[in-house]
Amino acid sequence: GAVVSQHPSRVICKSGTSVKIECRSLDFQATTMFWYRQFPKQSLMLMATSNEGSKATYEQGVEKDKFLINHASLTLSTLTVTSAHPEDSSFYICSAKLTYTQYFGPGTRLTVL
Amino acid sequence: GIQVEQSPPDLILQEGANSTLRCNFSDSVNNLQWFHQNPWGQLINLFYIPSGTKQNGRLSATTVATERYSLLYISSSQTTDSGVYFCAVGRGSQGNLIFGKGTKLSVKP
Repeated sequence: GAVVSQHPSRVICKSGTSVKIECRSLDFQATTMFWYRQFPKQSLMLMATSNEGSKATYEQGVEKDKFLINHASLTLSTLTVTSAHPEDSSFYICSAKLTYTQYFGPGTRLTVL
Repeated sequence: GIQVEQSPPDLILQEGANSTLRCNFSDSVNNLQWFHQNPWGQLINLFYIPSGTKQNGRLSATTVATERYSLLYISSSQTTDSGVYFCAVGRGSQGNLIFGKGTKLSVKP
């Protein structure tokens, strides 16, 4: 139980394009989902908290116009990286909250050329 | 904000050895989780343990909330235990987690 999927697992795009990453809770409903970013050999940094049916809450320093988050249903949250640039290349990981515990997706590796 | 410190940063073990990983945090929390990140990047839930002691097979964890630390014990380590172990804490109602920098464990055959 408590499985979270992400799609795509890997994406390569050109600078200036937008990329959408999907996060789904497969066997439970999640009112709250989270988006993290992880640089190589570093820890996870929380980018934003996504609540179903309301606007996301972004952490300090995260540009909300660049990283668009939509949580349209209790099983799906999406992160869109708009006008991506090479510095946006990273490993993006989502999680979904079930009672007090977060369950993580497998991550999406974004490379911007 | 809350500071989370994990030690040691790196640990190399021979298969079969035991180990203890430590997580210190700077303020009171109502959420503490241990995760194992495998070489493919997947985070695997090990324990939800804001206080007390839990055991799951060869792994066990203890959190002493009043002293602001948690310990993860790995017994009879196996090569498949290799990876990065993260401690993450939180205290808000939303369930936000703050991650430590992790302990990279390498188990040699």
